[in-house]
Amino acid sequence: AQSVTQLGSHVSVSEGALVLLRCNYSSSVPPYLFWYVQYPNQGLQLLLKYTTGATLVKGINGFEAEFKKSETSFHLTKPSAHMSDAAEYFCAVRAQGAQKLVFGQGTRLTINP
Amino acid sequence: DGGITQSPKYLFRKEGQNVTLSCEQNLNHDAMYWYRQDPGQGLRLIYYSQIVNDFQKGDIAEGYSVSREKKESFPLTVTSAQKNPTAFYLCASSPSGSTTDTQYFGPGTRLTVL
Repeated sequence: AQSVTQLGSHVSVSEGALVLLRCNYSSSVPPYLFWYVQYPNQGLQLLLKYTTGATLVKGINGFEAEFKKSETSFHLTKPSAHMSDAAEYFCAVRAQGAQKLVFGQGTRLTINP
Repeated sequence: DGGITQSPKYLFRKEGQNVTLSCEQNLNHDAMYWYRQDPGQGLRLIYYSQIVNDFQKGDIAEGYSVSREKKESFPLTVTSAQKNPTAFYLCASSPSGSTTDTQYFGPGTRLTVL
């Protein structure tokens, strides 16, 4: 069975600082991995995804994530936080051949001025 | 303008009443999904459909029902059997249901049971 763990339900950083949101997964087969962002009272928007190929994936709004198979991780980073990055972020995994997308519990990112 | 629409944005229901949430997409996607979101619990899959006239239960289907009579529409009914229906409901679609597909989400409906 697949599962996703996001370490830290709340993360707070200063404007201009590095953003690091952690995601670890468990899957018995090679997974496909996704990061979504959700602004208050809105739906989810895809930031980036890893399916095959290069393990460093670049997404929208300056975010990127690296798939590390040996660590079963897919952490999301952004070099310099902006106030508009304040939102909730969800990591999700889907195993090859599986129908369901399994979501982590989310990490709320707060940006301090 | 292509996208997914959900209506209404806010919905209030009395206990014991059924209520139907609308989800429409004009992306020509084959697959559609319904998720429930509760604070601190992420998203949980209620039902999904990969093709017209066919749908499958997700992880928390009890107390919910769906239909898929048209490709662009996937309404969700929250029945009186659902014990704790107050939540944020999100509809999504994807091109084919393939495991590499991106799921695109609607803006959500917030249901409150009074």
